[in-house]
Amino acid sequence: GAGVSQSPRYKVTKRGQDVTLRCDPISSHATLYWYQQALGQGPEFLTYFNYEAQPDKSGLPSDRFSAERPEGSISTLTIQRTEQRDSAMYRCASSALAGAFSSTDTQYFGPGTRLTVL
Amino acid sequence: DAKTTQPNSMESNEEEPVHLPCNHSTISGTDYIHWYRQLPSQGPEYVIHGLTSNVNNRMASLAIAEDRKSSTLILHRATLRDAAVYYCILRSGGQNFVFGPGTRLSVLP
Repeated sequence: GAGVSQSPRYKVTKRGQDVTLRCDPISSHATLYWYQQALGQGPEFLTYFNYEAQPDKSGLPSDRFSAERPEGSISTLTIQRTEQRDSAMYRCASSALAGAFSSTDTQYFGPGTRLTVL
Repeated sequence: DAKTTQPNSMESNEEEPVHLPCNHSTISGTDYIHWYRQLPSQGPEYVIHGLTSNVNNRMASLAIAEDRKSSTLILHRATLRDAAVYYCILRSGGQNFVFGPGTRLSVLP
């Protein structure tokens, strides 16, 4: 596709429910990243995929958070038993290069999904 | 990870040059300096990056100090559309992308 797309753009859920967010990266991009961004703050790294492999989950806040990219393209981020503190913008980015954090790699960000947990 | 320090906010008049500073005194020899910006209600977008030499592209210029402990993003003629949060980020291979709070640039008409 022309750019990174994310769906839904907005999600309101009740505390305790599970939610799944979707990211469709730029076609043929090897690496996909997930970030969490609180209001007024910069994005914070959650996890990344190198094709379908997930080498780094260190940024995931708890075991309620999980992500998949089973075919090395579209990815989903699932939050189980949501809590109010999970309310944030969730951003996905992709980059062309494999090897995730190449020093000169450019990341292309999607519009984000704003999650509100009531 | 090497850290960066940026002013919280800056103001500029439209059509004037803007110099956005970034201090990174603990930068390592393999760290590239990246700048991204985030326009209101949008995701971050790439602006420019460099290692040692000054860099120019259609969006901006990056001036890197000789000792590499600081750098400056230069917008040659600010427009209202340049109002955004600008992030200065250091990257070596294998490290996370750490954004920090950035500098909020306001452009006055």
